[in-house]
Amino acid sequence: EVQVLESGGGLVQPGGSLRLSCAASGFTFRNYAMSWVRQAPGKGLEWVSGISGVGGDTYYADSVKGRFTISRDNSENTVYLQMNSLTAEDTAVYYCAKVAGLLIPRHFQDWGQGTLVTVSS
Amino acid sequence: QSALTQPRSVSGSPGQSVTISCTGTSSDVGEYDFVSWYQQHPGKAPKLIIYDVTKRPSGVPDRFSGSKSGNTASLTIPGLQAEDEADYYCCSFAGSHVIFGGGTKLTVL
Repeated sequence: EVQVLESGGGLVQPGGSLRLSCAASGFTFRNYAMSWVRQAPGKGLEWVSGISGVGGDTYYADSVKGRFTISRDNSENTVYLQMNSLTAEDTAVYYCAKVAGLLIPRHFQDWGQGTLVTVSS
Repeated sequence: QSALTQPRSVSGSPGQSVTISCTGTSSDVGEYDFVSWYQQHPGKAPKLIIYDVTKRPSGVPDRFSGSKSGNTASLTIPGLQAEDEADYYCCSFAGSHVIFGGGTKLTVL
């Protein structure tokens, strides 16, 4: 059974940093690209970042480019999202998802339960 | 990269059929057969219910069906059930990125 479990969310001040983790199991991790998708309170879904199976290729939405960094450790079956220079607009539930596709997802196959990031003073 | 256009809400009575539309452009929905649909109950993570326009993952009831014509994709749910009440999001591959719809709230009356 595929399992995806996010952690690392919390309350952070504007301008601060946070690192999210996503631990995956139940599939051959290195064979799959992974993505982060976020959902602001009461809003829709936004694809934020993606990383290829071997980690050589990454993608960032314009809204986070230059501030967020995605990485993965295939020996630990874990994906990370380092978030810097956070603003209130980054407040959201952040979901980690196993995707179909090499980097740009054709679809999001399995989702974690999400971790809430709140940016506020 | 504007969001795909979905109706904000739709409703139907148990047993009825509803269709949710998802309109994009010739650069996303119209260009690729990689439209997917997600069901999200309140406080829960999204769940994939349709991918590649018409395919259903194992375990998803065959009541859910997808289609596409031109730049518009559709999700149809015949025989509505109470548990179908949720938010539904479409999503399309667009070559260099992925784009979601704004979401549709389905109410089962």
